[in-house]
Formats: sequence, C-alpha cells, structure tokens
Amino acid sequence: KAGVTQTPRYLIKTRGQQVTLSCSPISGHRSVSWYQQTPGQGLQFLFEYFSETQRNKGNFPGRFSGRQFSNSRSEMNVSTLELGDSALYLCASSLAGPPNNEQFFGPGTRLTVL
Amino acid sequence: QKEVEQDPGPLSVPEGAIVSLNCTYSNSAFQYFMWYRQYSRKGPELLMYTYSSGNKEDGRFTAQVDKSSKYISLFIRDSQPSDSATYLCAMAYSGAGSYQLTFGKGTKLSVIP
Repeated sequence: KAGVTQTPRYLIKTRGQQVTLSCSPISGHRSVSWYQQTPGQGLQFLFEYFSETQRNKGNFPGRFSGRQFSNSRSEMNVSTLELGDSALYLCASSLAGPPNNEQFFGPGTRLTVL
Repeated sequence: QKEVEQDPGPLSVPEGAIVSLNCTYSNSAFQYFMWYRQYSRKGPELLMYTYSSGNKEDGRFTAQVDKSSKYISLFIRDSQPSDSATYLCAMAYSGAGSYQLTFGKGTKLSVIP
C-alpha cells in the first residue's frame, strides 16, 4: 500500500509570494491533516479536512488555507509569505481522523522563505 | 506555561540501556496520549497510543500515563542504534465534533553502539 506523498519535497520562495503544497493520502483515507514543524515551535496543527470539509482548525492566521478534493487529495496554500513561514510542512492521513484513528505522515515539504 | 512540555535533550545512551522519555502537560482535559518517532528527513510515525490512564506495552516499548500528575512516559528497553531518532509526545481531547491535538517539541535520542 502506498504511503502518504507530498509534493514538492523542497521549495524556495521569497517574501510576499504565495505557495501551494500538495498531499496525496493513503488510498481509502478520508481525513487529511496539515502540520507545521519548526525548531522553535515544534509540530503545530494547522487544520484537518474530512470529506472535502474543514473539520478542525489550529491557531494560524488566515494566510494559511487549504482544501480537499473529492478524491481526498489535499492542498495547502500560504499567501503573502513571511520569513517565519520557513518550516517543514507535514500532512497526515487517517481513515476517519484523529485522535481516535492513527495518522500516517508524509515526508513533508521543506519550505524556505528568503 | 505551554500546554505540553518535553525536554528537547539531546539524550545520548549506550546500546542496551533503558531509555526514559517524559512529557508533562497542564490541560486536564487531555484523554488521548501518543508517542511518535521521527527519523531525520522523515515524517513522524506512531509508536504508542493510550486512551486515559495506565500502562501499555509493545515489544521493547512501554508507555505510561499518570493523569493525576499530568505526566506521561515512554520507556525503551534494550535500546538499539536504530532507535536513534526524535521522539514526540502528543495529546488530544475531543468533544462536540472537534478536537485539539498538541505535540511536545520532541526529544532527540542517540543510542551509541
């Protein structure tokens, strides 16, 4: 069974630009969650999508948004990039969502904002 | 005070040692307790999952939850070099159709052959 895939794996952008990251969940998984990981703040929850609907949201500004398609693939968008947005962005998929269901993480997209 | 505190280490132990990793938390609403392992350049993978209090054992790994002290632990017996990774604790509570999931910052472990 193929794991969670994320594209691209590495990305370099400049301040003010916007970026879109993509996540393909494990086949059959309907929940996709997004996380930001930085050395200073650790792993922080961004949002979760289930059956194309945002079901839960963390404490991030509105510049961070996402969506999920009917095939459960998900995209995350960050507009007006700031230097502090440099991070590893991870997505995780599960059958029906945390915390009752195990999440499987992808390898992440490393975003560098210059 | 952050909701979940975890000593970042690094922690270095000789092969075969017993490793103890710990997290404390402040939110008494947490019901779900997890430990993840993250190798360099990889996403986290779930190691242990516990609902409410008590102990759970899986091979060389034992997870303990003490809700009265708001303290959770992960023990690794007979540690191996392949256990070298960052270990993240995570906690969650759910209700009214939503949940909050909070991670510790992770402890970096090195097991020296």
